[in-house]
Amino acid sequence: AAGVIQSPRHLIKEKRETATLKCYPIPRHDTVYWYQQGPGQDPQFLISFYEKMQSDKGSIPDRFSAQQFSDYHSELNMSSLELGDSALYFCASTQRVGTNSYEQYFGPGTRLTVT
Amino acid sequence: AQSVTQLGSHVSVSEGALVLLRCNYSSSVPPYLFWYVQYPNQGLQLLLKYTTGATLVKGINGFEAEFKKSETSFHLTKPSAHMSDAAEYFCAVSYGGTSYGKLTFGQGTILTVHP
Repeated sequence: AAGVIQSPRHLIKEKRETATLKCYPIPRHDTVYWYQQGPGQDPQFLISFYEKMQSDKGSIPDRFSAQQFSDYHSELNMSSLELGDSALYFCASTQRVGTNSYEQYFGPGTRLTVT
Repeated sequence: AQSVTQLGSHVSVSEGALVLLRCNYSSSVPPYLFWYVQYPNQGLQLLLKYTTGATLVKGINGFEAEFKKSETSFHLTKPSAHMSDAAEYFCAVSYGGTSYGKLTFGQGTILTVHP
């Protein structure tokens, strides 16, 4: 079965550089969520998109922006990178399958290292 | 606002022993509750979830959890630990509905299994 795809899997950037992370949801999944997991920490919700519109926003820095495209893939753009941005970035895709039933799968994550 | 508290950042058990990972939540509305497992340098895998209905939920790999509203708990258990269960476990909560995938995670519990 198709899974959530994230690219790249690993990324090394220097301070003040920019990075773009991509997420390809499972086919027919219409919602994408982005999470950031710092070293030894729990995942923190950043932002979500439903049908290509931003649906919710969490603790996402102003230096970050994201969008969902017509093919439902999503990109997280990160500018002016800081050492503290080093983390594992997950995306998850969700699809409603019933009245109160959804299916959601997480991608394998992109490990961003800022040096 | 929602929050999740996992009691015990590290739990150690012997192979074949009972696994009990504790999770308490706070939510202003009936929550959706989840347990995820994360192996080193990997993504999040759903073990089980509670949305509505039966309060005892069975998941993959022999794990189960019971939603106890009166105790605001959703503890994860497995009767007999296996070496392959060694991983980090996250309890998470969401509001459900259109916010199904917006998860608030607990701090995580690292499970160690001794031979």
